[in-house]
Amino acid sequence: EAGVAQSPRYKIIEKRQSVAFWCNPISGHATLYWYQQILGQGPKLLIQFQNNGVVDDSQLPKDRFSAERLKGVDSTLKIQPAKLEDSAVYLCASSLVGLNTEAFFGQGTRLTVV
Amino acid sequence: SQQGEEDPQALSIQEGENATMNCSYKTSINNLQWYRQNSGRGLVHLILIRSNEREKHSGRLRVTLDTSKKSSSLLITASRAADTASYFCATDAGGNQFYFGTGTSLTVIP
Repeated sequence: EAGVAQSPRYKIIEKRQSVAFWCNPISGHATLYWYQQILGQGPKLLIQFQNNGVVDDSQLPKDRFSAERLKGVDSTLKIQPAKLEDSAVYLCASSLVGLNTEAFFGQGTRLTVV
Repeated sequence: SQQGEEDPQALSIQEGENATMNCSYKTSINNLQWYRQNSGRGLVHLILIRSNEREKHSGRLRVTLDTSKKSSSLLITASRAADTASYFCATDAGGNQFYFGTGTSLTVIP
């Protein structure tokens, strides 16, 4: 079974530039998550989709971050414009819908803003 | 914040010893899960314990849950060098929204 795919693995950009990350979840997983993990901290949930609808985006900084999952499969997360404090690993995860399910994570994209 | 907290933040033990890490959380939960993260990699699910369970085992892992104290513990017995990683607890209140703790960094010395 293929896992969660993310690209790119690494990205370095200058502040005020824009950047986009891509995620392909496990086939059949209706729920997709984007997490931000700052070095030394636990993953912070940015947004949760179920199919192509947003379930929770309460911690997404909507002035600069946006995410979409147009066909209920792949997803992109965009930052525009980036700030130094956005330097982190961005993790995509997916899960089945239902009680007592687990999340499957991709390898993440390490973003460095200089 | 709904994020939980693990303690200790860092733990260093000799191979063969047991490692215990704790997680405290703030809200009512449907289940609590533990994940492992090797350096520079994604998270891997280890074990899930439901809110009506008090203890669960999986191989060398033993998890306990005390919902009255809003806390959980993860015990790794007979640790190996390969267990070196960060360990996170994650709570799910029932909406498949996983809120992660701050993590415990475990180093197992060969």
